[in-house]
This record gives sequence, C-alpha cells and structure tokens, in this order.
Amino acid sequence: GAGVSQTPSNKVTEKGKYVELRCDPISGHTALYWYRQSLGQGPEFLIYFQGTGAADDSGLPNDRFFAVRPEGSVSTLKIQRTERGDSAVYLCASSLHQGRDTEAFFGQGTRLTVV
Amino acid sequence: QQPVQSPQAVILREGEDAVINCSSSKALYSVHWYRQKHGEAPVFLMILLKGGEQKGHEKISASFNEKKQQSSLYLTASQLSYSGTYFCGTEDHGDYKLSFGAGTTVTVRA
Repeated sequence: GAGVSQTPSNKVTEKGKYVELRCDPISGHTALYWYRQSLGQGPEFLIYFQGTGAADDSGLPNDRFFAVRPEGSVSTLKIQRTERGDSAVYLCASSLHQGRDTEAFFGQGTRLTVV
Repeated sequence: QQPVQSPQAVILREGEDAVINCSSSKALYSVHWYRQKHGEAPVFLMILLKGGEQKGHEKISASFNEKKQQSSLYLTASQLSYSGTYFCGTEDHGDYKLSFGAGTTVTVRA
C-alpha cells in the first residue's frame, strides 16, 4: 500500500479481555515503531523493530504488552488483560531504515477503548 | 525524558508568523518535527541533526541550538493549512528513539 495501514481503526473491548492491533508498514521499510497517544498528549514510545527483532522494547508499560514482527513486515501489538488505563490511540510508524536522519511515516492509529 | 514545548497554543491570522519552541534537559542527537491534524496521523515536517544538518520541507524552517538543547520551528506567512498540533520529538540517547512533547496547537484564521 501507499502508506502505513493500521487495523482496526477503532476497537472497543471489555476490561480483562485480550486485544491485537495490526500494523502494515510501507513496503520495504525495515524499521517499525509503536507509540501510544493519550488525549492532549504527544506520542509515547512503546517499542521498535529493526527487521524481525525488537531493537528496543523499553517503552512497553508492563508484561501485559507484547509485540511481534515475525517476517519483518506486518507487526501485531498484543495486550492481555486489558485495563481502562490502556485506552488510547495506538500509532504505528515505519521508516526506510533505522537512523536519526530518516523520517518516519505514521499510520492513522487504532483507537482502543476499554470499558 | 519528554521535551517541553511552548507555547501550548497559538492563534494566528493568515499571513502572520509564529515560533514554536522545544526544550530538553538532556543533550540531543536529533530533533524531529511533526504536524498532526485532528483525527489524522502525524505528518513529518523536519529533522535537525547534531552538527547542523537539516532535512525537511522548503517552506518550513527550524533551528537547533545544541548548546541550549533547544529547537524552534518557524511558521512564516501562515496559511489556513498550517492549523494543527505540532510535536517535536527528541533523541537524547543516541538510540534513534524519540520522546515527543505534549504539542503546540496552532489555529490559523482567515
């Protein structure tokens, strides 16, 4: 596709349930990032992948959060035992390669609401 | 460490100028600027690198003062399309990971 695609665009789930959020990066982009954005705040770093491996997962808030990118393209962010505090917009971004001089392209996000 | 942006919000008339500031308490390797319109994805504007190199759009300008650990984004002769929330993302560990500020909301009125 032309841009970063995230599905679903909206997800409402009950407290305690498991959810998966999907990110399809721009074709050929090796670096992939997950961010979380709460209302009125900037994106908060969660994890980033270079290829298939998680290069830095220091932003994941706790062990209920996990992300994979098994083939170096599509990534899935998994949240177990969801809590109301997990409600936010989850943004995915990709860039051609890892590097500070490389722009990242963001998807439109998945709005997660935990009720 | 999240950078601090100022002002929180600014209202402009078309054609007016504005400056958005981004400050960090740590030495910075790079500063990235994005604009986000309501309900949309953040869109890349500019990268400023330690050492003075810049990469971005011709109509957007920015500065990076490494000693002061600050960056400023300059909106010149603002247009209605400049409205949105501007975020700076700073890299302070040399690990390519960005910490974003809380944003500056810019409203341009006709």
